[in-house]
Amino acid sequence: DQQVKQNSPSLSVQEGRISILNCDYTNSMFDYFLWYKKYPAEGPTFLISISSIKDKNEDGRFTVFLNKSAKHLSLHIVPSQPGDSAVYFCAASDPDSNYQLIWGAGTKLIIKP
Amino acid sequence: DTGVSQDPRHKITKRGQNVTFRCDPISEHNRLYWYRQTLGQGPEFLTYFQNEAQLEKSRLLSDRFSAERPKGSFSTLEIQRTEQGDSAMYLCASRFTGELFFGEGSRLTVL
Repeated sequence: DQQVKQNSPSLSVQEGRISILNCDYTNSMFDYFLWYKKYPAEGPTFLISISSIKDKNEDGRFTVFLNKSAKHLSLHIVPSQPGDSAVYFCAASDPDSNYQLIWGAGTKLIIKP
Repeated sequence: DTGVSQDPRHKITKRGQNVTFRCDPISEHNRLYWYRQTLGQGPEFLTYFQNEAQLEKSRLLSDRFSAERPKGSFSTLEIQRTEQGDSAMYLCASRFTGELFFGEGSRLTVL
């Protein structure tokens, strides 16, 4: 059973507009959430994270929002750029499993020029 | 380059052969993880080391798989008697606290 879900396999956004990627989780014990970006034939690259004690973290064009009551987080990219086209993975840190990361299946973001 | 490095980047082998992948983590990172990733999926956890101790192994890790981190620095992942289902990207990651830093991965193709 998937503990971290990214329900949109793909998302297409016009360059310059906002991209919103969503992630849902089931385990309220998760204490830390991360977003990774992956280009084909490369390993995932860390993008941004958020602790469970916060509800927002911002880094340049990237903002992550956490809604603990809904067990939902989202990644906002504003403005979207062509280089943002990649697969985005949401991951959660599980303190009950040596802080293993539990991963979503990813969302492929396509930025249209 | 102070990132996580993996070797080889690509390996093509025949079914039944043994393969070994190496991972060199970021030097001050005491935690090292191996993941496997197939197309359309997020990384699947395989095993975890804290220093030289292997603290956790996934049920995915059959007895054909073995991993070591003998001196708490680099790690190796060996797959014996490879099967076509082992074809995947094998990712190594390390951290001290907070986020994981991934290597570029080792892609295995079993013919």
